[in-house]
Amino acid sequence: DTGVSQDPRHKITKRGQNVTFRCDPISEHNRLYWYRQTLGQGPEFLTYFQNEAQLEKSRLLSDRFSAERPKGSFSTLEIQRTEQGDSAMYLCASHRGDRPDTQYFGPGTRLTVL
Amino acid sequence: KQEVTQIPAALSVPEGENLVLNCSFTDSAIYNLQWFRQDPGKGLTSLLLIQSSQREQTSGRLNASLDKSSGRSTLYIAASQPGDSATYLCAVKEGNTPLVFGKGTRLSVIA
Repeated sequence: DTGVSQDPRHKITKRGQNVTFRCDPISEHNRLYWYRQTLGQGPEFLTYFQNEAQLEKSRLLSDRFSAERPKGSFSTLEIQRTEQGDSAMYLCASHRGDRPDTQYFGPGTRLTVL
Repeated sequence: KQEVTQIPAALSVPEGENLVLNCSFTDSAIYNLQWFRQDPGKGLTSLLLIQSSQREQTSGRLNASLDKSSGRSTLYIAASQPGDSATYLCAVKEGNTPLVFGKGTRLSVIA
């Protein structure tokens, strides 16, 4: 069990550029979640996958955001045409859906849009 | 829509004090409640998870209680240490829904 990993840890980009983040969950966890956290706030749900199926998307996930989880393993979150309001910490969490267990969080990717 | 509130937003205490962090939620039909710790610029570390059928959970100097009917939970930290300084987040889960978080309590323990 190597935990949940995220890459990159930090990303600075200019407004209008596209960015992609990666999350590698704990290997036997079939559920994967993306959250966004802005300064002074708790994490807010964006989307989640059960295996490769994207089961729910928050209204926070605008058309500029897309997430994938091919083969039900790692996941990517892409933001197109970034805006300054996208600056936040993007957190990934994984969970074994058949157990009443906690979600395990990765270290996050800090995005700064200039 | 579930809303989670944490009070106080920030707390500063001298080392050695016992302290209580509060969490309230609007819809009592929860599956479980969790307390997390977050260090600056880092991810979340799970501290305690209380199932809806449970009243409390303990881990070392930490004790979390749950009163589902009144929509309240408390996190009790005994004999606080400077290493306890962090933001503490409360989150509730309803069935297969994602976690709903409060804004957190920022704790500073002064040596």
